[in-house]
Parts: sequence; C-alpha cells; structure tokens
Amino acid sequence: EVQLVESGGGLVQPGRSLKLSCAASGFTFSNYYMAWVRQAPKKGLEWVATISTSGSRTYYPDSVKGRFTISRDNAKSSLYLQMNSLKSEDTATYYCARGGQRFAYWGQGTLVTVSS
Amino acid sequence: DIQMTQSPSSMSASLGDTVTINCLASQDIGNYLSWYQQKPGKSPKLMIYGATNLEDGVPSRFSGSRSGSDYSLTINSLGYDDEGIYHCHQYYEYPLTFGSGTKLEIK
Repeated sequence: EVQLVESGGGLVQPGRSLKLSCAASGFTFSNYYMAWVRQAPKKGLEWVATISTSGSRTYYPDSVKGRFTISRDNAKSSLYLQMNSLKSEDTATYYCARGGQRFAYWGQGTLVTVSS
Repeated sequence: DIQMTQSPSSMSASLGDTVTINCLASQDIGNYLSWYQQKPGKSPKLMIYGATNLEDGVPSRFSGSRSGSDYSLTINSLGYDDEGIYHCHQYYEYPLTFGSGTKLEIK
C-alpha cells in the first residue's frame, strides 16, 4: 500500500525557516517524480514544487522560487521541502504527492502557520 | 501562466441527479487535465486524468470530457458520497495550475 506521511509543520515567525519531510513507503520511491502542493485555509490547491527521480531537476512557481528548495533522499525514500524567508501567505496545509503530472497519491498534509 | 477558470464555484443537487463541472483553460493544454475530489479535512483524490481517463477504483458514474479548451467533469446518479470540493488541474506545462474549486452539496 502506497503511503506518504508528512511531518515538520508548525507555527513559525515571518522571515524564519522550516523544513518539511515526507516519508514514502509501498512503492519504489526512486522511480517517481515527487511534488509538494499546498492549500491555504478555505482556499484552492497551489502547486509548490516538483523534483525529478534523481533530484537533478527541480521546478517551482514564481511565488516560492528562491525561497523554497525541494530535495529527496532515495536511499531513505524521503522527500523534503526547505522553506526560507517565510511569509504570512505561506500559511497552508502542505501535501506531498507522488508524480510529476497527475498526482495519484497524496499524504495527509502538514499544517504550516506563519505568524508572529 | 495557464489560468484554469472553474465554474460554478458552488452548486447544490439532489440524490440521483446528474451534474457537470467545467474548467476553461486560458490556452491549449491538450488532454493534460486532471480532476480531483476533496472531502473536508482530507487530501485530494484523483478521479480523472488525461481529461477523460477514469482513475482505478473510481465509479463509472464519473466521466470527463473536452471540447476545445473547455473541460468538463460529469457525475451521474449523484449519491451522498459525492459531496465535496472538485478541483481541475492542468499539467501541460509549468507552473502547474489548479482551478479555484467547485463545492458540491447534495440536498
């Protein structure tokens, strides 16, 4: 059974950093692109980052480019999102998702609240 | 960036009804379009991909179609379990973008 379990969310002050993790199991992690998608409270979904199977290619929207870094450790079947210079508008539930295009599997999400 | 204009933003329908949710892409995205269902407090669930392909395990009451840049999700024989928010998603090019969501309520 495919499982994606996010962790690392919490309350953080504006301008600070936070690192999210996603532990994957039930499939060969190194064979799949992976992504982060977020959802602000009562809002729609927003794609945040995608990483290739080897980690050599990464993609971001302008809203997080230069502040967020997606990475992976295939040996540990883990996905990460390093978030720097956090802003109040980054407040959201962050989901990790399997795939580079359609997202067939999602984690349960981890809530990040950026507030002073 | 490709804009996905989703409509309606909310709708209410009765058990057994047929409903249609629409997404208009601001430019050509081919068939690189997915639909997700999201229930309160839960993560999204993939329902349709490639505009018309049913994800494994999704009831055949769900179907997707395309007419030019207009994409539709149709749900036949509505049941209480179909209540939730539906999101369209284009994956033709980066940045990947989603529609604003349609909240479906079953009366």
